[in-house]
Amino acid sequence: QVQLQESGPGLVKPSQTLSLTCTVSGGSISSGGYHWGWIRQHPGKGLEWIAYIYYSGTTYYNPSLKSRVTISVDTSKDQFSLKLSSVTAADTAVYYCARRGSDYVFDYWGQGTLVTVSS
Amino acid sequence: EIVLTQSPGTLSLSPGERATLSCRASQSVSSSYLAWYQQKPGRAPRLLIYGASSRATGIPDRFSGSGSGTDFTLTISRLEPEDFAVYYCQQYGNSPETFGQGTKVEIK
Repeated sequence: QVQLQESGPGLVKPSQTLSLTCTVSGGSISSGGYHWGWIRQHPGKGLEWIAYIYYSGTTYYNPSLKSRVTISVDTSKDQFSLKLSSVTAADTAVYYCARRGSDYVFDYWGQGTLVTVSS
Repeated sequence: EIVLTQSPGTLSLSPGERATLSCRASQSVSSSYLAWYQQKPGRAPRLLIYGASSRATGIPDRFSGSGSGTDFTLTISRLEPEDFAVYYCQQYGNSPETFGQGTKVEIK
C-alpha cells in the first residue's frame, strides 16, 4: 500500500518561499510508471492542481503558478518537493501530495498539510 | 483552461435515496478523462471514478459514473450514512488539469 506524507513549515511569511516535501513509502518513486504531484485547497474551497513530476525529472506545471513553482524529485530518498516563491496570503491553503497513477488520476494522497502565509 | 461546473451546489437527501450529481465542462473533455473524488471534512480526497465510468479499486458498486463530451454524471444508487460528503469532478485530458467547485451531499 503506497503512502504519502507531507512535511514542511506550517507558517510562511509573505514574500518568502514555501517549501514542502512529500515522502513516499510502500513503493519506490524510481520504479516508474507514475507521476508525483501537488494539489492545494484554499480554506473552504475547491482543489487546484499545482504540478507533477516523473521520476526522470520531467515536470508539468499549472500555467497559473508556473512562474513561482518548482517541483523536484530525489529518488534516493523516495521524496519529491515543492517550492512556491513570493507567497502571499492567497497561497494559504492545505497542500496535498499525491500519486498520479497509471490511469492518469490521483489515486493515492497524503493527508495534507496546512500552510498559512502570515507575518 | 477547461472550466468544470458542478450542480447542484448542495444536495439534501436521506439515507437510502438516490443521488445524481452533474459536472459540465466548458469544452469537450478529451478521451472522457473525467474523474470523481469524494472528500470528507479534514480528509484528503478519495478517488471514486476515472475515465468517466470506471470505478476505482475498492469503490462500492452503488457509485457509478456516466457521460462524455461536456456532460458527466455521478450517481449514488442508495445513499449510505458514510456517503454524505463533498464530491468533486476533475478533468485530466487537457492541461491544466482542473477540478469542479464541488457538490455537497448532506443529510436531509
